[in-house]
Amino acid sequence: DTEVTQTPKHLVMGMTNKKSLKCEQHMGHRAMYWYKQKAKKPPELMFVYSYEKLSINESVPSRFSPECPNSSLLNLHLHALQPEDSALYLCASSQGARGYTFGSGTRLTVV
Amino acid sequence: QKEVEQNSGPLSVPEGAIASLNCTYSDRVSQSFFWYRQYSGKSPELIMSIYSNGDKEDGRFTAQLNKASQYVSLLIRDSQPSDSATYLCAAQTGANNLFFGTGTRLTVIP
Repeated sequence: DTEVTQTPKHLVMGMTNKKSLKCEQHMGHRAMYWYKQKAKKPPELMFVYSYEKLSINESVPSRFSPECPNSSLLNLHLHALQPEDSALYLCASSQGARGYTFGSGTRLTVV
Repeated sequence: QKEVEQNSGPLSVPEGAIASLNCTYSDRVSQSFFWYRQYSGKSPELIMSIYSNGDKEDGRFTAQLNKASQYVSLLIRDSQPSDSATYLCAAQTGANNLFFGTGTRLTVIP
């Protein structure tokens, strides 16, 4: 299994809603990542988990809350988002210096 | 200086031509180098990785790395309309953090 699976593929949420994005990989990778990508921009790192511990938080607002329940799963909890948070949210995993494998992403629209 | 700088294009080439994409990087990201292809609305897909000086070929793709000049490039031979996409250069640090360039949008004209 060489895939990173993200759900849902599309999500529309109101500014008062609480929702979660999910990510799963079964490649035995010990590092997992959340990226945010706006149109015509490169992916922007949000969070890094290494061996299930949060190692990097790139000054992301607290309305985004990551969680790593185990080495295969990564969640991103969303609460009180703003319309400018609408973007493609990408999960990735890696093992060593071999580059990242990305999931297909969740297209998030905040209304 | 940003970790990875990419000539942002856009780049248009006729079908069958060679497309050349270029990227420079800083001292902070000198471990491993990658080229990702991203179709509109899709996630990045790893197409080439290169770790040592020289050329690496995979089908129609050739990655070139010059560590002395801190330069990495991607050549696409016999370009096809299906190669039309945004190409992201990326470099990985010793801590395994991946930094992306701004991307180059390539259009192959039939």
